[in-house]
Amino acid sequence: ETGVTQTPRHLVMGMTNKKSLKCEQHLGHNAMYWYKQSAKKPLELMFVYSLEERVENNSVPSRFSPECPNSSHLFLHLHTLQPEDSALYLCASSQDLMTSGTNTGELFFGEGSRLTVL
Amino acid sequence: QKEVEQNSGPLSVPEGAIASLNCTYSDRGSQSFFWYRQYSGKSPELIMFIYSNGDKEDGRFTAQLNKASQYVSLLIRDSQPSDSATYLCAISGGYNKLIFGAGTRLAVHP
Repeated sequence: ETGVTQTPRHLVMGMTNKKSLKCEQHLGHNAMYWYKQSAKKPLELMFVYSLEERVENNSVPSRFSPECPNSSHLFLHLHTLQPEDSALYLCASSQDLMTSGTNTGELFFGEGSRLTVL
Repeated sequence: QKEVEQNSGPLSVPEGAIASLNCTYSDRGSQSFFWYRQYSGKSPELIMFIYSNGDKEDGRFTAQLNKASQYVSLLIRDSQPSDSATYLCAISGGYNKLIFGAGTRLAVHP
């Protein structure tokens, strides 16, 4: 496989469920990101990891819990979500963090996990 | 004030015309500017980036940057139906982040 893969592609969960989104990148990149995309709204950055270390937590509610066990894998654990959390969750990777002088700002996105909270 | 503003569209242009997509931003300290394209049901992909004032051309695409006016645009010449997508403007937002606009939907009709 190449690029950035996300599973599941679609997820429906109740407000009391616990589920996880998985992301895997096969690009040898050092930085990984979770973004939330809601209809008619800008992409919202949620979390940033660099070499498995979390470097940014963008005021995300604690019902979203990220995990980065190694530089190729990123998880987003979900629990007691609200209906307004329904959105497309995009994982992305980049060679290095955006602050790196060698980084053109190219994020490679996965296809996303479409989450519906009932 | 939103950090990155784009007209949501849809911007409708005939095939072969020039499509002009615009973006304004609020942070004068931004140094890097990007255009991503997102087809319906797909993920965003980078098509252009620009750092310096002026124009940058890549094939049918031209990015224009005016830092004094805090304005960045994307021109698509000889628009094709395959260019129909949502175009996301993004700026470097300091450490570790790109700040995106909500996107402009472009529809190119035959």
